[in-house]
Order: sequence, then C-alpha cells, then structure tokens
Amino acid sequence: DAGVTQSPTHLIKTRGQQVTLRCSPKSGHDTVSWYQQALGQGPQFIFQYYEEEERQRGNFPDRFSGHQFPNYSSELNVNALLLGDSALYLCASSLAGVRQPQHFGDGTRLSIL
Amino acid sequence: GESVGLHLPTLSVQEGDNSIINCAYSNSASDYFIWYKQESGKGPQFIIDIRSNMDKRQGQRVTVLLNKTVKHLSLQIAATQPGDSAVYFCAETAASGTYKYIFGTGTRLKVLA
Repeated sequence: DAGVTQSPTHLIKTRGQQVTLRCSPKSGHDTVSWYQQALGQGPQFIFQYYEEEERQRGNFPDRFSGHQFPNYSSELNVNALLLGDSALYLCASSLAGVRQPQHFGDGTRLSIL
Repeated sequence: GESVGLHLPTLSVQEGDNSIINCAYSNSASDYFIWYKQESGKGPQFIIDIRSNMDKRQGQRVTVLLNKTVKHLSLQIAATQPGDSAVYFCAETAASGTYKYIFGTGTRLKVLA
C-alpha cells in the first residue's frame, strides 16, 4: 500500500523563477493538502484540494496555486520565487471529511538562490 | 539530510525511561488533535489522534492526554527507545468550517543511550 509520494525530492531555483511540485496521495485518499515548513518550525497550511477544486486556503499569496487531477494527484505551483520561499514543501492526503488524519509525504526541499 | 527543528525545545531522556512531551493549543474551538513524529529528512508521521470528547487515548507504547480546561495536550512514550529520537509536533483542527491543521512549534526528543 503506497503512501504519499512527492517529487522531486530536492530542487534549486533562482529568484523570479517558477516551480511545480507534484504529489500522489495515499491509496484510497481523495483529498490533498499542501504545507510549507520553514527550518525549525511546524508546517504551515497553504491550501487543500478536493474534487479538483481548492476548498480552503491558508494565508499565502496568489503566487501559490495548485491543481488536483481526476486521479486525485496534485500539483503545487509557485510563481515569481522569492528567497523566503525556500522551505520544505509537504503534501498530505486524507479522506474528505472533517477530523480525518492527514498522512504526509517526505516533502520537496526547495532552495532559492 | 537537513535537520528539522534546529532551535526547538529539546527533551533529553534516558533509554528505557518514559517521555512526556507537552503542547498548548490556542483555539478553544479545536476538537481534534494529532501527534506527529518527524525524523530528519522525512515528513511528519502520524502517531496517534484524539477527539475532544475523550480525555485519554492509548496506542502502542504511546498515550495522549487532553485537558480542554487549560487547552493542553501531552504525549507520553513508554520505555523510550533510540528510534524515538525525532521532532514531535501536535496539530489541532476544528470540525466546524475548516479542514486545515494548525501545528505547534515542535519538541525535539533526544534519547540517551
């Protein structure tokens, strides 16, 4: 039973560039959430996708966008990269309802030069 | 891999002793809580959850206690092992109107041989 998988594992970009990160949810899960984790901090919620739509968004600018595909996989896109976007980006999958435990992938480490 | 939580509070415990990790939450409307374990270079791993209609829940070698009066959560690990060394996060969510999880700042657990 495959867990949450994310790609790539590491990525280096320069300021102003754009990046796309990918996530495949755990088998049986239909909901995907994305989090940003800065060094030394807990994950911060970016947004959640369900039924191919963004259903809730955290306090992140519009430069952060996403997509969910019919097979429940998801992408996170970040435009006009800033140095402060350097972080570990985590994808979590769950079932659709409230009070559903979210299961995380190992993340994509994004470094902005 | 790069370490998570370089400047986090640290709890050092002798191997075989019991560990208690504490977490204060802020939202009195939160009614579902999860403890996660995050090892270096990995994503958060689900340990145990508890709903607000419970005060205590036990798993394998772990117990979570919830005190809603003072908005406090704790994770007890029995007979701590070297493999328990990691950063531990509590996460909270409210059933009403939100799907996002709010993470605490984390505690680093070091198991001494």
